Amino acid sequence: SQQGEEDPQALSIQEGENATMNCSYKTSINNLQWYRQNSGRGLVHLILIRSNEREKHSGRLRVTLDTSKKSSSLLITASRAADTASYFCATGPLTGGGNKLTFGTGTQLKVEL
Amino acid sequence: GAGVSQTPSNKVTEKGKYVELRCDPISGHTALYWYRQSLGQGPEFLIYFQGTGAADDSGLPNDRFFAVRPEGSVSTLKIQRTERGDSAVYLCASSPYRGAEAFFGQGTRLTVV
Repeated sequence: SQQGEEDPQALSIQEGENATMNCSYKTSINNLQWYRQNSGRGLVHLILIRSNEREKHSGRLRVTLDTSKKSSSLLITASRAADTASYFCATGPLTGGGNKLTFGTGTQLKVEL
Repeated sequence: GAGVSQTPSNKVTEKGKYVELRCDPISGHTALYWYRQSLGQGPEFLIYFQGTGAADDSGLPNDRFFAVRPEGSVSTLKIQRTERGDSAVYLCASSPYRGAEAFFGQGTRLTVV
C-alpha cells in the first residue's frame, strides 16, 4: 500500500524556474527519502533526511521535513530540461522492517525549454 | 559491479508459466529488497533480505511468489503460474545497513500475455 501522497501529481514549468513538490505521509518515520525515476525504470536516490532533521541541501535540491504535519517538500532550483522525470518520496519505518521503504504515488515533472 | 544489476531487463511470458528474475546487489551490501511497480504507481514493497534470510516478506501478494538469497549476495525472485496481473516492473535494491539509502537496479519489465 502507498504511504505517501505527492502533490501535485503533475507539474510543468519553464527551464530556469523553481519546482516544488510536496509529500504527505501517515505513520511515524525514521527517515524520508526522495527518488527520481526516468522512463519508468530504475530509481535514482536524491536525498535522505532523518526524522530529527528539518532541512537538508544537496546542490540544487532543498528538502524540508515537518514531522508534526507529517509532510516534506522537495525544491529544485533553476530547473533544467534534464530534470524532467517522476519524483517519489519514500518513508523508512521507525521500528523494524529494515529499510523497507513505502513510496508515494509520485509527481511527474516536465521542464520545458 | 558498480551498481545493482538486474536480469533480464525485459521478460515476456505466457500466462501460467514460471519465471525467475535475478538481482546482483552492490558488493558488501547486506540488505536486499524487491519492489514491484505498476504503471503510474509508486514502487510497492515485496520482500526484504538481511543476509541470507528473509527478514520481512509481508509484501509478497500470494504463495505464487517466492524469493531466495542462498549465499547472501545474488537474489532470485520466482513467480509460479504467472497471471496477467503480475505484469509490472520488478525492482531490486540494496543497502549497506538499515536506515541508509537504497540503491536501485534498472528493473525487469515483466509482461504476461
